[in-house]
Amino acid sequence: DQQVKQNSPSLSVQEGRISILNCDYTNSMFDYFLWYKKYPAEGPTFLISISSIKDKNEDGRFTVFLNKSAKHLSLHIVPSQPGDSAVYFCAAKTTSGTYKYIFGTGTRLKVLA
Amino acid sequence: NAGVTQTPKFQVLKTGQSMTLQCAQDMNHNSMYWYRQDPGMGLRLIYYSASEGTTDKGEVPNGYNVSRLNKREFSLRLESAAPSQTSVYFCASTRITGGTEAFFGQGTRLTVV
Repeated sequence: DQQVKQNSPSLSVQEGRISILNCDYTNSMFDYFLWYKKYPAEGPTFLISISSIKDKNEDGRFTVFLNKSAKHLSLHIVPSQPGDSAVYFCAAKTTSGTYKYIFGTGTRLKVLA
Repeated sequence: NAGVTQTPKFQVLKTGQSMTLQCAQDMNHNSMYWYRQDPGMGLRLIYYSASEGTTDKGEVPNGYNVSRLNKREFSLRLESAAPSQTSVYFCASTRITGGTEAFFGQGTRLTVV
């Protein structure tokens, strides 16, 4: 049972345009969401997070939106740069009880110069 | 500041052999995790240690054992390797409080032949 889903395995975007990566979840107990970026042969690195009490969090070119009623979050990258080409994972967790992060399957973003 | 360090980076095992993957963090984090990454499967939690002296099973614990040697170190052992354990293994750590990001090591690419 995949609790966190990233339905688009890959995405190509022109440099300078907006990249939108999507993530859906099924567990209503999740109250904290994160996005990670992963380059080949490296470990995932934390990008941005959002608590369930918010619907938007912005950090520079990166913005995460959370729609709790739809159990959906998205990562917007504006403007996209070639260095953003990587695999992006969304992850979810509950902040009480357990410490487990549940990851999606990832979306490979390719930013074309 | 090294962060999370994993050894070895690469390993080839024969079916039935055993080995231990090592992980150490220098951030004074309380919680540590082992994940495996397989194509199309995202990152799946094998075991985690919420704090020194405790370990718990994750999503895919079968065939693995772990030891939280001290606050810094969390090892993953394969007692009798199987081809199905061919994967990239990541160690991660977090502060104990909820709502924080996990920091990952660079990964161990394991091939079982």
